[in-house]
Amino acid sequence: NAGVTQTPKFQVLKTGQSMTLQCAQDMNHEYMSWYRQDPGMGLRLIHYSVGAGITDQGEVPNGYNVSRSTTEDFPLRLLSAAPSQTSVYFCASSYTASGVNEQYFGPGTRLTVT
Amino acid sequence: AQSVTQLGSHVSVSEGALVLLRCNYSSSVPPYLFWYVQYPNQGLQLLLKYTTGATLVKGINGFEAEFKKSETSFHLTKPSAHMSDAAEYFCAVSEGSENSGYSTLTFGKGTMLLVSP
Repeated sequence: NAGVTQTPKFQVLKTGQSMTLQCAQDMNHEYMSWYRQDPGMGLRLIHYSVGAGITDQGEVPNGYNVSRSTTEDFPLRLLSAAPSQTSVYFCASSYTASGVNEQYFGPGTRLTVT
Repeated sequence: AQSVTQLGSHVSVSEGALVLLRCNYSSSVPPYLFWYVQYPNQGLQLLLKYTTGATLVKGINGFEAEFKKSETSFHLTKPSAHMSDAAEYFCAVSEGSENSGYSTLTFGKGTMLLVSP
């Protein structure tokens, strides 16, 4: 199993550009999430999905869109990049056994917006 | 609403010394608690978790944590630090219920563990 994969590993964007961060998992997990990590802030939840076709907002959703057309894939779209979106982005997948949300993380995408 | 507080953004220990990383949580329902570790330029890896049952849980790499409901704490310990333990550690909480379905994870801000020879 590859687990959770993310592409690209690094990206530099200019303000106003758009792009999609890719995330895929091969563990048949029902749930997937996107987080951003900023120094001293821990991980903050952007969006999450509880199954194909079902998404919801997390703590910091503004400026980001998601969709979930398959169980395996959960792309994150930046509509118009801003310097405040410079961050490291992590995708995670999980299943719940007896309600326990144990998450498996991808290696991250480091995004710089100039 | 749930929240996590990790005391100390940086903790320094000598190799062979006790490691203690502090985590306090708030949750309106019985919580599920997690510790994750992040090595430089990598994703997060689960160290250990508490769901129900025994309050002292053991994880990978010799780490353990004790759930203390009265203190709303879930501190992480290791008897003897190794150089390879240098990393950032995150405590996380989710609402615990067998029937609640999906519950999001809330992370603390992290504690960087520095180990000196």
